[in-house]
Amino acid sequence: AQTVTQSQPEMSVQEAETVTLSCTYDTSESDYYLFWYKQPPSRQMILVIRQEAYKQQNATENRFSVNFQKAAKSFSLKISDSQLGDAAMYFCAYRSERTSYGGATNKLIFGTGTLLAVQP
Amino acid sequence: NAGVTQTPKFRILKIGQSMTLQCTQDMNHNYMYWYRQDPGMGLKLIYYSVGAGITDKGEVPNGYNVSRSTTEDFPLRLELAAPSQTSVYFCASSYRTGYNEQFFGPGTRLTVL
Repeated sequence: AQTVTQSQPEMSVQEAETVTLSCTYDTSESDYYLFWYKQPPSRQMILVIRQEAYKQQNATENRFSVNFQKAAKSFSLKISDSQLGDAAMYFCAYRSERTSYGGATNKLIFGTGTLLAVQP
Repeated sequence: NAGVTQTPKFRILKIGQSMTLQCTQDMNHNYMYWYRQDPGMGLKLIYYSVGAGITDKGEVPNGYNVSRSTTEDFPLRLELAAPSQTSVYFCASSYRTGYNEQFFGPGTRLTVL
């Protein structure tokens, strides 16, 4: 079974600085997707960025980028120019492309999260 | 477009009571999911559905039941509530093809005393 590990329960960054959140995963599959979700105090789950395993190029979304190392099974999130609104819990998630009942199930497996604090 | 809506937002149950958490999506998504999030933990899948009339168990299905009679609705039933079911419950939905990004509802905070 696949697992997702986030080894940093809490991180802190100064406003305008850069921070990197770590995520490792375990899988025997070759095709899959990886995601980072943000959960602010409102509890709403917000997709930050996604990466397809078959793509070598790292995904970027404005100030957010990933460092995807497929061989090492590592998927870290870099937040540049950190803002106060970036303070939240961040979850790494894995989705298998393996099908069930003739179709993909799209089930997500989540890590335990990293709580990011942004200091003014 | 309301996205994924959940009711109620908060609920307190006594041990042994039952209730249904409602989830509705207006994006015509095939797939729907129920997750629970315990304090300090990530989300764990309870049940999911790949279309009307089709449901399957996730990682932590014990104590819960689901049904999917329409594309829009995916209610989660708790029978005989227990303190271990105190959690925040999230409903999500996605398309079947493409990135299949999951869209989440705002969550329901349930306390069982």
